[in-house]
Amino acid sequence: DQQVKQNSPSLSVQEGRISILNCDYTNSMFDYFLWYKKYPAEGPTFLISISSIKDKNEDGRFTVFLNKSAKHLSLHIVPSQPGDSAVYFCAASEGAQKLVFGQGTRLTINP
Amino acid sequence: DAGVIQSPRHEVTEMGQEVTLRCKPISGHNSLFWYRQTMMRGLELLIYFNNNVPIDDSGMPEDRFSAKMPNASFSTLKIQPSEPRDSAVYFCASSLVLGKTGTQYFGPGTRLLVL
Repeated sequence: DQQVKQNSPSLSVQEGRISILNCDYTNSMFDYFLWYKKYPAEGPTFLISISSIKDKNEDGRFTVFLNKSAKHLSLHIVPSQPGDSAVYFCAASEGAQKLVFGQGTRLTINP
Repeated sequence: DAGVIQSPRHEVTEMGQEVTLRCKPISGHNSLFWYRQTMMRGLELLIYFNNNVPIDDSGMPEDRFSAKMPNASFSTLKIQPSEPRDSAVYFCASSLVLGKTGTQYFGPGTRLLVL
C-alpha cells in the first residue's frame, strides 16, 4: 500500500511560469512533510519542509502548501528556471525520522 | 563540511558474493539512515540508527541484509549472499535530530549491480 502518492510521473513547464507538483498521503498520523529534489547520479537534496501545525511554508521561489483535511500537499515553484529540471520527491513521516517517499515527479522546464 | 560520503559509488558483483557498502555521516549528526531505490518500489527506508543504536530495521528485506554503526562516523550495509534482485541504488542519509525534527541529508548513493 502506497502511503504517499505522486500521481503525475512527469510535468513540463515553460521557463518563467509556475510549476505545481502535487502529493497525496493516506496516513493521518503523518505530521511532517518534506520535498526533495534529485538530479541524475546524485542523492536527493532537501528543498523545503512543513509541519502539520502549518498550512504554508515559503522559502524564496519555493512554497509548500498543506491541506490536512484533504491529505494533500503541493509544491509551487515560481518563477520556474531551467535548473529546476529534476525529479521531485515528496516525503512524509511521524516525527521526521522514518520518512515515506512518493514515487517522484520528473519536472522539465522548457526555455 | 563534505556532506555524507558513500563508498563505493559503483559496485558490480556476481550472485552469491558478499557486498559491503560504506557510509560516513555528516559530523555532529546523531541519526543515520539507509535507503534503497528501485524502479519497482521507489525510495524505501531499510534501517535507521539514533546515536549509533539501530532503532527500526523493519525495512530490511531479509536476513541476507545487515547493517552496523560501530561509531558515530561510520556505518556499513552488508548483503550476504547477494542476489540479482538486490540490484539498486543504495543511499545513506544523516540528520541532527533535535526533539522531533531533523532534516535528512543524503549521500550520492552506491549503484549496485548483481549479475
